[in-house]
Amino acid sequence: AQSVTQLDSQVPVFEEAPVELRCNYSSSVSVYLFWYVQYPNQGLQLLLKYLSGSTLVKGINGFEAEFNKSQTSFHLRKPSVHISDTAEYFCAVKSPAGGTSYGKLTFGQGTILTVHP
Amino acid sequence: EAGVAQSPRYKIIEKRQSVAFWCNPISGHATLYWYQQILGQGPKLLIQFQNNGVVDDSQLPKDRFSAERLKGVDSTLKIQPAKLEDSAVYLCASSSQLAGELFFGEGSRLTVL
Repeated sequence: AQSVTQLDSQVPVFEEAPVELRCNYSSSVSVYLFWYVQYPNQGLQLLLKYLSGSTLVKGINGFEAEFNKSQTSFHLRKPSVHISDTAEYFCAVKSPAGGTSYGKLTFGQGTILTVHP
Repeated sequence: EAGVAQSPRYKIIEKRQSVAFWCNPISGHATLYWYQQILGQGPKLLIQFQNNGVVDDSQLPKDRFSAERLKGVDSTLKIQPAKLEDSAVYLCASSSQLAGELFFGEGSRLTVL
């Protein structure tokens, strides 16, 4: 079975500061990894995804994430945050082939990012 | 390209009543998912369809929840009878293939009183 752990439930940060949201996953097979963002009263929007290839993935709104297979991590980073980045962020894992989790997207518990002026 | 459509956006019911949510996926997407998102938690998969067949419904409370996708396009999720703990946002998502990216609708927020 696959699982995702987001290590911080809340991250407060000041505007223009850097931020890192941590994510670790567990899976017995190779995985695809995703970060989604959810603004209040809205659905989930894809920020970025890792399918294969370069371990550094760049997404929308200046976010990037690095896949580390040995540490089973996929941390999300942004060098300088804005007030508009205030939202909840979800890390998710999907098994691309085979097994009982095939096609199933499993989410972490979410991290609330609050950017203060 | 039109996104995933869901309705209603909001629903308030009394416990023991029934409710139904509708989802229309992105055109051509064979895989459809229903997720339950309880406040403060990550989304939890309830059921996954591939065309009109069920791929995974292991976490669907089958004594009160049901879902169908009769023609392999739109889908309905029903709760009968509702309990207080069913208060949540129900998210529908679709994907062009099992291994592909999921696209989410805006969700249907259910409040059970």
